[in-house]
Amino acid sequence: GENVEQHPSTLSVQEGDSAVIKCTYSDSASNYFPWYKQELGKRPQLIIDIRSNVGEKKDQRIAVTLNKTAKHFSLHITETQPEDSAVYFCAASNQAGTALIFGKGTTLSVSS
Amino acid sequence: DADVTQTPRNRITKTGKRIMLECSQTKGHDRMYWYRQDPGLGLRLIYYSFDVKDINKGEISDGYSVSRQAQAKFSLSLESAIPNQTALYFCATSDPIAGAQETQYFGPGTRLLVL
Repeated sequence: GENVEQHPSTLSVQEGDSAVIKCTYSDSASNYFPWYKQELGKRPQLIIDIRSNVGEKKDQRIAVTLNKTAKHFSLHITETQPEDSAVYFCAASNQAGTALIFGKGTTLSVSS
Repeated sequence: DADVTQTPRNRITKTGKRIMLECSQTKGHDRMYWYRQDPGLGLRLIYYSFDVKDINKGEISDGYSVSRQAQAKFSLSLESAIPNQTALYFCATSDPIAGAQETQYFGPGTRLLVL
């Protein structure tokens, strides 16, 4: 079945640095790729998403890039701040478009 | 997101007991999902439902059952709880446009401990 690999599992950066999280997916039929942020003790919340007909999308300090040929997509956070510290999950839609398959998550720590 | 609620928020139970986790939503979404979250394993799909007559197994449905009582309510049951079902359980909803996947909105989670 569909598989989503996410790397790294943990990432530590200094405030102001950039952070990049990468995901690969196995099903070439996947066409929707969201990213969720989960703060400690909270529920996951969507921060950005991209569809297969777009190569890049930006929203202020965050951006997502998609390479359909290589079946990978990445989250880029610039000018990181302590409040960016959280667990980030990537996901890909399954072949039928009926569900999302999530990566295992990346714990991002931003130190000031 | 207060539009998706889960009860209870925390539950401790014993091995062999039957328990039910409930999810309600006021978003008017047709699609509802149950996930479990374990450290280092991410979010894994247990069951999902597209309407009251449609129930589908996810990747880890063994040991679980669900009931879609109404568009707004989706319950998850553990018929005979076991310790490795100790986890954080999330309900989610979505409203796909033209059948395509869209944003999933998560409830606050239920933390379950099986002794």
